[in-house]
Amino acid sequence: KQEVTQIPAALSVPEGENLVLNCSFTDSAIYNLQWFRQDPGKGLTSLLLIQSSQREQTSGRLNASLDKSSGRSTLYIAASQPGDSATYLCAAGDSGSARQLTFGSGTQLTVLP
Amino acid sequence: NAGVTQTPKFRILKIGQSMTLQCTQDMNHNYMYWYRQDPGMGLKLIYYSVGAGITDKGEVPNGYNVSRSTTEDFPLRLELAAPSQTSVYFCASTTWPHTEAFFGQGTRLTVV
Repeated sequence: KQEVTQIPAALSVPEGENLVLNCSFTDSAIYNLQWFRQDPGKGLTSLLLIQSSQREQTSGRLNASLDKSSGRSTLYIAASQPGDSATYLCAAGDSGSARQLTFGSGTQLTVLP
Repeated sequence: NAGVTQTPKFRILKIGQSMTLQCTQDMNHNYMYWYRQDPGMGLKLIYYSVGAGITDKGEVPNGYNVSRSTTEDFPLRLELAAPSQTSVYFCASTTWPHTEAFFGQGTRLTVV
């Protein structure tokens, strides 16, 4: 059974700092790895999707990397802003026909002005 | 462009009552999912569907039922609500092969 862990559970940084969020998974036979953002009381918004054959994806100030062999993914946020404050969730997509997502518990990020 | 729409947004149920959480998507996605999220936790899969007429259990299906009569709609039924079903419920959809997952805004359910 796939298990996904995110460390740290919470992170508080001053504005402008570069930061890294970590995600680890136990079963390397994944189809893809997705990073989501969740604002309080809201749904999930997809940030980056990395297919199993890829090593990284970039969107603006966000960069996500994937190392299947070690069961790790990282989300790098450059020049953080107060608007980046949210909970960030990673999810491993399985290789079965249902393409189920297994989620981590998230990292709650606070960027201080 | 509505995406994935869930109703209601909030609901309070008494123990033993039943209700249906509605989910509709307008993106013609084949795959649809129901998750629940408990405080401080990740999302857990309740049921999923790979197309109209096809549904299957996820990790935590007990106490729930689903149906998929059309591509657009994937309602989740709670029978005999229990306090353990107090949670936030999210519906999601995606195309095949698995690409970006789109989520609804969630339904916050409290069972008292």
